[in-house]
Amino acid sequence: QQPVQSPQAVILREGEDAVINCSSSKALYSVHWYRQKHGEAPVFLMILLKGGEQKGHEKISASFNEKKQQSSLYLTASQLSYSGTYFCGTETQAAGNKLTFGGGTRVLVKP
Amino acid sequence: DVKVTQSSRYLVKRTGEKVFLECVQDMDHENMFWYRQDPGLGLRLIYFSYDVKMKEKGDIPEGYSVSREKKERFSLILESASTNQTSMYLCASGPGSQPQHFGDGTRLSIL
Repeated sequence: QQPVQSPQAVILREGEDAVINCSSSKALYSVHWYRQKHGEAPVFLMILLKGGEQKGHEKISASFNEKKQQSSLYLTASQLSYSGTYFCGTETQAAGNKLTFGGGTRVLVKP
Repeated sequence: DVKVTQSSRYLVKRTGEKVFLECVQDMDHENMFWYRQDPGLGLRLIYFSYDVKMKEKGDIPEGYSVSREKKERFSLILESASTNQTSMYLCASGPGSQPQHFGDGTRLSIL
C-alpha cells in the first residue's frame, strides 16, 4: 500500500515555508525523499533511518517519527529552485531494498 | 557521477506488439528497478532485480516481464502491449539500501 502524502499541491511565495507529510500504515525502516522537476528524472534529497533523526539538504530538512510511521519534509525560506514534485519513498524491514512511493506533492514557488 | 541511461525518451507502439525498454547503468550497482509514473499515483514499482538473472515482482507486475543478463543492463518487456500501459517508465539503480539514481524516463504511448 502506498504511503499517503499531503498536501497534494502547495503554492508558495519566495521566502515562505511549507511542510510536506508522508504517512504509512506499515512499520518503516527508512524514508527516502526525492524531488522531480518537470521533464526531468527524480533526484535524491535525503534518507532518514528509524530513530527520529533529522537531516538537511540546503534549507530543506526532514524528520522521521517511527512510532507514528510518518515523515515530514520542511521547506524553509523557499527559493524558486524548490519548485517541483516531491516524493517520499518508504522502506519496510521485510521489503529489503524495495521502496514504495507516495503520490507526490507538487510545489510551486512564485517570485 | 552515476549515469542511468534509458534507450528511448519517446516511444509509440501498437496494441498487441511486444515492447522492449532498455536501461543501462555505469556504477556497478547491484539493484535495478523499473517504475511507471502516472499523474496522482506517483511512482509504482513494476519489477526489481538485486543480482544478475534475479528478479522480484513489485507492486504492479501484471502484463510485464524483465530480463537481467548482465549487471549493468535491465530490460522491461511488455509481452503484448495494451492501451492501459501508456505511461512514463522510469528505470533506477542503487547500491543496496542507498539512494536510487533514476534515468530520464521513457514516455510510452500504445495506440
